[in-house]
Amino acid sequence: DAGVIQSPRHEVTEMGQEVTLRCKPISGHDYLFWYRQTMMRGLELLIYFNNNVPIDDSGMPEDRFSAKMPNASFSTLKIQPSEPRDSAVYFCASSFSLPGTTDTQYFGPGTRLTVL
Amino acid sequence: AQKITQTQPGMFVQEKEAVTLDCTYDTSDQSYGLFWYKQPSSGEMIFLIYQGSYDEQNATEGRYSLNFQKARKSANLVISASQLGDSAMYFCAMRDFTGRRALTFGSGTRLQVQP
Repeated sequence: DAGVIQSPRHEVTEMGQEVTLRCKPISGHDYLFWYRQTMMRGLELLIYFNNNVPIDDSGMPEDRFSAKMPNASFSTLKIQPSEPRDSAVYFCASSFSLPGTTDTQYFGPGTRLTVL
Repeated sequence: AQKITQTQPGMFVQEKEAVTLDCTYDTSDQSYGLFWYKQPSSGEMIFLIYQGSYDEQNATEGRYSLNFQKARKSANLVISASQLGDSAMYFCAMRDFTGRRALTFGSGTRLQVQP
């Protein structure tokens, strides 16, 4: 089975530009998470969805960040306008919440974003 | 609030030897899960092992085992028979099962396996 798929793997953009990161979760998973990894702050949650509905967006830094999940197999994280401090690795993860399971989150390969 | 502490920024181990990576956690929840992930230099996050707070046995997965001491709130990862491919960052993480589903991560330990 395919794992979590993210695109692009690398993105270099200039300050002020719009950036869109994409994620395809593992088929059948009902939770989708967006995390950000930086040297200063480590791994931190941005937002997560359950059955395509945003549940907790308390980690979204500010209004420049938005996330959508239009269907069970696709999610986007958009930054508009981008700033140099947004440079980080953005991970998407998904999990399946069947009772009695460990509800393990499986991560995609990440998108390395550089904002110049 | 949950907190994960990994006190070893870096560790060295000789090939074929065992190594223990420390993880302590803090939570007021009674039902929670503890996870270890491996992040090689290529950057992906690879799930290694899981331990539930109510599991009586320590978790094992191949060469990985988790030394779970609930009273001390520690969940150390033990890697037996280290291999060169084990060189990576290792993250301890937790989430509770009664509320927020996000993982809380520690700062990680960089393990280097020497030949």
